[in-house]
Amino acid sequence: SQQGEEDPQALSIQEGENATMNCSYKTSINNLQWYRQNSGRGLVHLILIRSNEREKHSGRLRVTLDTSKKSSSLLITASRAADTASYFCATEEAGSYQLTFGKGTKLSVIP
Amino acid sequence: DGGITQSPKYLFRKEGQNVTLSCEQNLNHDAMYWYRQDPGQGLRLIYYSQIVNDFQKGDIAEGYSVSREKKESFPLTVTSAQKNPTAFYLCASSISFGFYEQYFGPGTRLTVT
Repeated sequence: SQQGEEDPQALSIQEGENATMNCSYKTSINNLQWYRQNSGRGLVHLILIRSNEREKHSGRLRVTLDTSKKSSSLLITASRAADTASYFCATEEAGSYQLTFGKGTKLSVIP
Repeated sequence: DGGITQSPKYLFRKEGQNVTLSCEQNLNHDAMYWYRQDPGQGLRLIYYSQIVNDFQKGDIAEGYSVSREKKESFPLTVTSAQKNPTAFYLCASSISFGFYEQYFGPGTRLTVT
C-alpha cells in the first residue's frame, strides 16, 4: 500500500531559487525519511525525522514534520543544477516498521 | 569502500525463464530489502530480511523468491510466475529492521521479452 503522497508531482525552478516539496500520509508513523534519486540510479538517503521531532536541517536541506496534519515538507535552499532529481518521501509505519514510498516529486533546476 | 553492489546493471531474459539478481553489502547490516520500481512510480517492497536465514514477504512477493544464507548476500529470483517482470529492481540494507535509514544499491534493470 502506498502511504506517502508527494506534491507537486513535478517542479521546475531557476538555479538559486528555493524548492519546496510536500508529503502527506495517512497512518501513525515512527519516522519519515526523504530520499533523492538521480535518473536510472539507486536512492540516496537525505534526512530521517522522527515522529517526536518537528524540524531537522542538513546543509541546504530543511525538513519539517507536522504529525497532527500528517504532513511533511522538504525545503532545498539556493538550488543548484546538480539538485535535479526525483525526491521521495518514505514513511515507516508504527507497528509494521516497513518503509512505504510515495511516487516522488521530479525536480528540475534550470541553470 | 563500503556499500551495496548489484549485478548486473542491465539484464535481458526471454519470457518463461527464471532469473536471479545479485545483491551484496559490506556494511555489516542485519536487514536487507528488495524493491521494485516501475516508471513514474514509487518503490514497492518485494521481500525483506531482518537477519540471516530469515525473510518475510513484502507487498508484492508473488512470482519472486529470495534466500539469505549469508549476512552479506540477499539474491532475488524472478520466476516465470511473475506476470510483469520488466522493471527496475533495487536492493537496500539498514543497520537493523526499523528506525534506521536504508542504503541502496545502483539497481538492476530487467527486461523480459
